[in-house]
Amino acid sequence: DIQLTQSPSFLSASVGDRVTITCRASQGISSYLAWYQQKPGKVPNLLIYAASTLQSGVPSRFSGSGSGTEFTLTISSLQPEDFATYYCQQLNSYPITFGQGTRLEIK
Amino acid sequence: EVQLVESGGGLVQPGGSLRLSCAASGFTFSSNWMSWVRQVPGKGLEWVANVNQHGSETYYADSVTGRFTIARDNAKNSLFLQMNSLRGEDTAVYYCARGCCCGGNCYAGLFDQWGQGTPVTVSS
Repeated sequence: DIQLTQSPSFLSASVGDRVTITCRASQGISSYLAWYQQKPGKVPNLLIYAASTLQSGVPSRFSGSGSGTEFTLTISSLQPEDFATYYCQQLNSYPITFGQGTRLEIK
Repeated sequence: EVQLVESGGGLVQPGGSLRLSCAASGFTFSSNWMSWVRQVPGKGLEWVANVNQHGSETYYADSVTGRFTIARDNAKNSLFLQMNSLRGEDTAVYYCARGCCCGGNCYAGLFDQWGQGTPVTVSS
């Protein structure tokens, strides 16, 4: 199975900050990586797929990069509605796996 | 508007069975892969199983292989998960999720629409 390790697991930041979350895969997954945002009590929301393609309707302050085993999700200027938990997910091979999550909180 | 509505969750004893259903509307159900994903409240996401558009191809997480069966009825726009030999570690909220047809490709393991989930508790 492919393990995904996100860092950090917890992040405290302020509105307007630029933040980066990293996802490392235990083996190469090309660009078959997605990022989801989940707010408390809500279902996950797809942000980015194919490592860097923004899903329709997602604000342009979100961006993704990487390939192979190392990936990043960047939020260029944090907005109040961005405080949530973020998950990476690989769809390169079965079983489909998720990272453990990064909880982004207001400083 | 796309809607995925799960039902069938509840309290069951270890070793028991449950059948989850997901009613889909607002899109051409037969065009998309469909999955079940579960989440223990306060914890992370775990993919459980998926099925292709025709119901002829299925994949499972190792943790449920041999115990769970995913199926679909395209005529009724419905997805199912038959869960047998349930264990305490199966306790979670179970989400029905649509495989995304994004950028001209239909992905088996990329989820662009989610139901609100149905809770399953396995306990004596």
